Order: sequence, then C-alpha cells, then structure tokens
Amino acid sequence: DTEVTQTPKHLVMGMTNKKSLKCEQHMGHRAMYWYKQKAKKPPELMFVYSYEKLSINESVPSRFSPECPNSSLLNLHLHALQPEDSALYLCASSQEGSAGYEQYFGPGTRLTVT
Amino acid sequence: AQSVTQLDSQVPVFEEAPVELRCNYSSSVSVYLFWYVQYPNQGLQLLLKYLSGSTLVESINGFEAEFNKSQTSFHLRKPSVHISDTAEYFCAVSRPGTASKLTFGTGTRLQVTL
Repeated sequence: DTEVTQTPKHLVMGMTNKKSLKCEQHMGHRAMYWYKQKAKKPPELMFVYSYEKLSINESVPSRFSPECPNSSLLNLHLHALQPEDSALYLCASSQEGSAGYEQYFGPGTRLTVT
Repeated sequence: AQSVTQLDSQVPVFEEAPVELRCNYSSSVSVYLFWYVQYPNQGLQLLLKYLSGSTLVESINGFEAEFNKSQTSFHLRKPSVHISDTAEYFCAVSRPGTASKLTFGTGTRLQVTL
C-alpha cells in the first residue's frame, strides 16, 4: 500500500469557522508533511513532522495548527482563515525525514474560504 | 540556500515526438535532485531522482534525466511522448544531510496533442 489518503476532498468554510483536514498513511513512514499549493504554482512547504514531533514550521500563521496524533495520522486544524488561504492542501509522507527519501503525496484537499 | 529554475512554463508537443523539460539549479553545496509529475486534480508523484552515482537516471515510464554538475542542470527527456504524459512537471532540490525540505521550481506544463 503506497497510498496517502486525505479527507475531505473539498472544503468550503467561512472566515469564522473551525475545520480540520486529515491525512493518513499506512506505509510505516516516520515523516509527514503539509504543503500549500496555489493555482499554477509549486507546492510550498508548511510543516514537517518527524517521528511524531514537529521538526519544521515554515513560519506559518497560527491560524493553521498541525497535529500528529500517531505515526499514521496527520491533521491540520484551521481557524479564522482568510480568503487568500484558499488553495490545495497536500499531505505527504516519507520513510524518514532526512533529504533524499521519496515523498509520497496525497491527492489533496481543495479549500475555499468565503 | 538553493533554488530551482524551470524556464519553460509551457511546452506543447505532438504525440510521439521527443521532449526535453529544462531544469537548472543554484546551490553552493551538493544537492539531491528530483522530478515530480502532477496530473490534473491529483497530488504529486516522483518520476525520478538523483542522489549520487550514475548521472543518468531513468524512470519506469520512459523518462530520463541527466545530472550535469558543470552546467548545474537536471533536464528531463523522453524520446516519444504519449497523450497521457500531459501534466505539470516540477523539478526540485534538497540538501543532503539535512531535513527533507524540497525546494520546487515553478513547474512546466507539458501539453501533448495529436
């Protein structure tokens, strides 16, 4: 099983809502990632978890709050988002968190903030 | 810090024709190099990577890329493209010995037509 799953596929939320994005992998990977991808742009790294600990936060605003409950799950909690946060949010995982390991991407959650 | 340049934002090509997608990188230290492909409404998939050793790397679906240190390039080639190769292609780099942080180029849209 080389699949990373993400739910929901689409999400529309208002600026005062609280919602969560979920990501799951069963490949035994020890590193998981959140990326943000705007239309016609490359993915931008947001967070990296390695062995369930946050190892990289790319200066992401606090309205995005990641959580890694266990080695298979990664959540992204959203609160008080802005319309400019509308994007495709991609989750990825890799065997280890060091450079050189292939990252496996999920299909993404397309988020629209109204 | 490293950076990646993909000069061609779009490359139109006829089916069965050869194609080259260009990627140049800038780094003061050695790098790992990757090509990822993103089909419409999907996440990214690794096509191939260069870590060390042979400078010519190949993928299972006919793509190849050659690492050229003197020209700081990692161009992607395929001798005969298929309609199904239509996608966005991203070149990316990461630094050996560090956390797995991919820096992506801006992407090249490969459009294959009959």
